[in-house]
Amino acid sequence: AQSVTQLGSHVSVSEGALVLLRCNYSSSVPPYLFWYVQYPNQGLQLLLKYTTGATLVKGINGFEAEFKKSETSFHLTKPSAHMSDAAEYFCAVSEGTGGFKTIFGAGTRLFVKA
Amino acid sequence: EPEVTQTPSHQVTQMGQEVILRCVPISNHLYFYWYRQILGQKVEFLVSFYNNEISEKSEIFDDQFSVERPDGSNFTLKIRSTKLEDSAMYFCASSDLVVEFFGPGTRLTVL
Repeated sequence: AQSVTQLGSHVSVSEGALVLLRCNYSSSVPPYLFWYVQYPNQGLQLLLKYTTGATLVKGINGFEAEFKKSETSFHLTKPSAHMSDAAEYFCAVSEGTGGFKTIFGAGTRLFVKA
Repeated sequence: EPEVTQTPSHQVTQMGQEVILRCVPISNHLYFYWYRQILGQKVEFLVSFYNNEISEKSEIFDDQFSVERPDGSNFTLKIRSTKLEDSAMYFCASSDLVVEFFGPGTRLTVL
């Protein structure tokens, strides 16, 4: 069975500082990995995804994530935080596409201080 | 850009009542899903649907839940007799062969 663990339910950074949100996964098959962002009272927006190929994945809003198979990790980073990045971030894993369900982590709320 | 839409955005109902949550998936997608998110908790898979039948369902998706694709565009989730613990945000999603696209959600409040 697949699972996702997000380390830290809350992360606080200063504006302009590095954002690092940690995600580890468990999967018996090569995983498809995703990061979603959720702003208050809104739906889920896909930030980036890893399916196959290049392990460093770039997404929207300056975010990127690196798939590290040996560490079963898919941490999300952004070099410089912006106030508008404050939101809930969900790491997710799937066995594939086309009918495979997505398993979500518990989420990490990112706070950005001025 | 095509998107998944959901109606209503907010539904309030009395315990024991039936509710139907509606979704319009992206038109050329073949796989459809429902997820729910109880306030403050993670997003949980409920059910996936393909070729007019359920392909997978979770433990949460018990007999009080049903899904249907009544026509070529809508995808619905019915809860027959709502309970207080059904209060949550319900997300519909549809998928091509690359990624799932999520709708904005319906917030269901059961009183």
